[in-house]
Amino acid sequence: GQNIDQPTEMTATEGAIVQINCTYQTSGFNGLFWYQQHAGEAPTFLSYNVLDGLEEKGRFSSFLSRSKGYSYLLLKELQMKDSASYLCAVRPSSNTGKLIFGQGTTLQVKP
Amino acid sequence: DTGVSQDPRHKITKRGQNVTFRCDPISEHNRLYWYRQTLGQGPEFLTYFQNEAQLEKSRLLSDRFSAERPKGSFSTLEIQRTEQGDSAMYLCASSSTSAVPGLALVNEQFFGPGTRLTVL
Repeated sequence: GQNIDQPTEMTATEGAIVQINCTYQTSGFNGLFWYQQHAGEAPTFLSYNVLDGLEEKGRFSSFLSRSKGYSYLLLKELQMKDSASYLCAVRPSSNTGKLIFGQGTTLQVKP
Repeated sequence: DTGVSQDPRHKITKRGQNVTFRCDPISEHNRLYWYRQTLGQGPEFLTYFQNEAQLEKSRLLSDRFSAERPKGSFSTLEIQRTEQGDSAMYLCASSSTSAVPGLALVNEQFFGPGTRLTVL
């Protein structure tokens, strides 16, 4: 089966750092994506990992360990606008391109 | 091209009626996906096309659902005999399959704003 787990909710303070974890068990693996989704809006692409290690993009970094079936998204210097749902998604195959999503982590940033 | 567009943005219908949604992908993208999302959940894959060919359909998808992409550009998703359990946000996404030499094939999916369906 396909299973992707992430915490349902997290709260953090403006200016702080937060780490959102994601564990996955899928029939195949061809990359892990993180998307951001503000309430009532479409998901927007944040990051992609296919090899083990850390990918950094400005205030956002994403880490992957394929042997552990584990990823995290790290958000630094949190801003109020970072309050959103963060979706972890696995692409199980290069042939299909479809994504299998976790339930999403709702992050609330407080002043 | 400003991105993926979907029409309508909202649809309210009575149980038993048929509904059809349209998605216009980013013009140079050859892959098009349909997902369904309910409150508090991540998007759930429904089906996808490469050009005009429907290459995969979720086993969870009832035969009341059908999708087409007749000319390899826009796509339609039809739900027949709607049920209250069909109420959800229907998201369309598109991606390319082109490879950039020396770079990993990211081919991220770009999502449209969605069509929110309410079945009364």
